[in-house]
Amino acid sequence: GNSVTQMEGPVTLSEEAFLTINCTYTATGYPSLFWYVQYPGEGLQLLLKATKADDKGSNKGFEATYRKETTSFHLEKGSVQVSDSAVYFCALAPGYSSASKIIFGSGTRLSIRP
Amino acid sequence: KAGVTQTPRYLIKTRGQQVTLSCSPISGHRSVSWYQQTPGQGLQFLFEYFSETQRNKGNFPGRFSGRQFSNSRSEMNVSTLELGDSALYLCASSLAPGQGGYGYTFGSGTRLTVV
Repeated sequence: GNSVTQMEGPVTLSEEAFLTINCTYTATGYPSLFWYVQYPGEGLQLLLKATKADDKGSNKGFEATYRKETTSFHLEKGSVQVSDSAVYFCALAPGYSSASKIIFGSGTRLSIRP
Repeated sequence: KAGVTQTPRYLIKTRGQQVTLSCSPISGHRSVSWYQQTPGQGLQFLFEYFSETQRNKGNFPGRFSGRQFSNSRSEMNVSTLELGDSALYLCASSLAPGQGGYGYTFGSGTRLTVV
């Protein structure tokens, strides 16, 4: 079946540090991949997405590349800010023609120290 | 344009009661999905509605039900509440079913506490 595995948190970094949050997936076919972010007391916001192999999603300085050979979609940011503190979810959708159900990872809590 | 609106934001209920949560999708979005978020189980899919019809259902007991109205607004109902139903319930809208691959827009959620 389809599943998403992401690194456990919490992850604590100093401001301006480099961030990597690992995400790997198991899926049949050609899923779309996402990173969502959840700020305290809020719902999930779509951060970035990639719909096919080798696509790079990017937004707000965050990037992730769809690697089919390693079934990975790691999230990176070159210089984190305190405002990036949130919970990050890696997710996959089985495919455009499939049901809309999205499979989420367990989430990684990120805390940035000033 | 207005985002996905969920009401109420917070709710406290007693075991055995029932509860109804509401979700208004983004204007023009016709598909609404519901998720339950708990610290132990993470985000779990409840169901998806499109054109007033349930299109997809997760692995939850029959106490969890939902419906969608002609204006695309959706409600979910939980009957005979149990302590384990305490969670953040998130609603997500998309243009149509099968659009999950393009990303959902989520509401801020309803925090349900069962005591």
